[in-house]
Amino acid sequence: DIVMTQTPLSSPVTLGQPASISCRSSQSLVHSDGNTYLSWLQQRPGQPPRLLIYKISNRFSGVPDRFSGSGAGTDFTLKISRVEAEDVGVYYCMQATQFPWTFGQGTKVEIK
Amino acid sequence: EVQLVESGGGLVQPGRSLRLSCTASGFTFGDYGMTWVRQAPGKGLEWVGFIRSKTYGGTTEYAASVKGRFTISRDDSKSIAYLQMNSLKTEDTAVYYCTRTAPRRDGYKSDYWGQGTLVTVSS
Repeated sequence: DIVMTQTPLSSPVTLGQPASISCRSSQSLVHSDGNTYLSWLQQRPGQPPRLLIYKISNRFSGVPDRFSGSGAGTDFTLKISRVEAEDVGVYYCMQATQFPWTFGQGTKVEIK
Repeated sequence: EVQLVESGGGLVQPGRSLRLSCTASGFTFGDYGMTWVRQAPGKGLEWVGFIRSKTYGGTTEYAASVKGRFTISRDDSKSIAYLQMNSLKTEDTAVYYCTRTAPRRDGYKSDYWGQGTLVTVSS
């Protein structure tokens, strides 16, 4: 199975400041079709997960442009350009390149 | 508006069975795969399994932790996906989410999630 490792596990951030979360996979996420099926999800307290980014860098409909994804191969990053209060929650990376699909452990973003 | 509503959760004894339903609306259900994801209390997300649309064979994939015990199926005429859970264990206690999953050509994105249903396995 592909292991997804996120760092940091906790990220206290000042409002208006940037935040960055790293996700590393135990093997390349490049599919045989040439695509990389790496997504980022946000889970606010008491809510179900919500898709933010798919295929490394594609923002899902309605997701603010302060969220961006980047990376390739085994190393990926989610960046929030200016953290807002509503961004508090846990962020997960997820790979859908190889079954079984797997999630990172989650990174908790909180306000300092 | 896309909506997914899970139902069927509850308290069940170890070794017993439970069937969860995920009722979809607001989109053409048959065009999408469906994924089940669970979250144990206070823990992270765990992928449970996936069923492809009939266009892609309607076949299924499972996590090793549930393979042979859980079965995912779908009824496109009713826009419902099911998760049949047999031989339940205490470690299956979790909130179970269903998600709409686009085909691989559209990125395999799990773009809409239900609110979840809690399954508690305890004697």
